[in-house]
Amino acid sequence: QVQLVQSGPEVKKPGTSVKVSCKASGFILSDSVVQWVRQPRGRRLEWIGWITVVNGNTDYAQKFQERVTISRDMSTSTVYMEVSSLRSEDTAVYYCAAYRDFESSPLGFDSWGQGTLVTVSA
Amino acid sequence: SSELTQPPSVSVSPGQTARITCSGDALSKKYAYWYQQKSGQAPALVIYEDNERPSGIPERFSGSSSGTVATLTIHGAQVADEADYYCYSHNSDDRGLFGGGTKLTVL
Repeated sequence: QVQLVQSGPEVKKPGTSVKVSCKASGFILSDSVVQWVRQPRGRRLEWIGWITVVNGNTDYAQKFQERVTISRDMSTSTVYMEVSSLRSEDTAVYYCAAYRDFESSPLGFDSWGQGTLVTVSA
Repeated sequence: SSELTQPPSVSVSPGQTARITCSGDALSKKYAYWYQQKSGQAPALVIYEDNERPSGIPERFSGSSSGTVATLTIHGAQVADEADYYCYSHNSDDRGLFGGGTKLTVL
């Protein structure tokens, strides 16, 4: 079945970086766009950016352009999101979501990972 | 503007109709999508392209959009529908955009 499995929780110190993975199975990742979204505890969803897997093209929300890098490894069907220069405000659950078969399907981002808690604390 | 505005909360009794609105300039040109997020879970798609329902979503969920306002309607809301609901669309730069979320209470 369609699955996105994310890496486990992380605890990081301010100023360091974190890299979260999102491994896809049950569908053709190269036909997809994968986006990353974060949610601080008790707060709203926030769009971070996305990658068109087939060509590696990325786009980011303006506030994340300097600190976030989204990449992919097609050999392992995995998409990554790295956040640098972490600060306490980056503490949140980070989700990946896939828009499968994006060139012909109208569904949008209907498949989501389970979320990864990233805690930034000194 | 590149914002989507939702009411913070909506409350209905079981069996009543719940309506959640999402307003923003982006909606006059882009589709609205609706996600349901229950406590401790990842969001789940309940409406795509303004008014289409993914397979497995109950018929009581419907969507509509007119001008700059999209609406999620839940006919005969059930206690099981209690959740946070987020609208989602794309801004003029074709980047993703979420509304602030609406907490639906059914009691």
